Amino acid sequence: DAGVTQSPTHLIKTRGQQVTLRCSPKSGHDTVSWYQQALGQGPQFIFQYYEEEERQRGNFPDRFSGHQFPNYSSELNVNALLLGDSALYLCASSSFTGIASYNEQFFGPGTRLTVL
Amino acid sequence: GDSVTQMEGPVTLSEEACLTINCTYTATGYPSLFWYVQYPGEGLQLLLKATKADDKGSNKGFEATYRKETTSFHLEKGSVQVSDSAVYFCALGPFNDYKLSFGAGTTVTVRA
Repeated sequence: DAGVTQSPTHLIKTRGQQVTLRCSPKSGHDTVSWYQQALGQGPQFIFQYYEEEERQRGNFPDRFSGHQFPNYSSELNVNALLLGDSALYLCASSSFTGIASYNEQFFGPGTRLTVL
Repeated sequence: GDSVTQMEGPVTLSEEACLTINCTYTATGYPSLFWYVQYPGEGLQLLLKATKADDKGSNKGFEATYRKETTSFHLEKGSVQVSDSAVYFCALGPFNDYKLSFGAGTTVTVRA
């Protein structure tokens, strides 16, 4: 059973460009969350998608947007890249079974984005 | 808002030593608490969790008890191995909320 997969593994972009990151959830999971992990810090919640809609959003600007497809996979898009967007972007999947905080999130290996 | 504060590292230990990583939290209501581990070059793996006060989570020799009176969830292991070298994150899931709030992480290095 494949876990959470993300692509690409690494990405290098320049300031002002746009980037799309992809995530496939663990089999049986219907919910995808995205996190940004800057070097030496803990992950920060960007947003969560469920039933193809953004269900909750963290404190990130509108330059960060996402999408969830009918097969539950997801994309994270970042426009007008800034140097400060350089980070490891983690995708996590879960299966909603009731109380939200009980739902275990399974993380992928991440995409390392470098903005020059 | 809800937040987690964990012990700063790095922590360096010898094999078979005892490990404790302190974690305290601030939250309204009754959050769930988690410890995640990140091995070099990998994503986060759930190590253990607790969803209510006095619950004890345990896995791979690690333990943590949800203490509401001290708002703490300290991670402990009695005898560490070189393979336990990793970054450990304490995390909080607010009650009936979808996000996880993470601490800054503690880097642990175990020497043979």
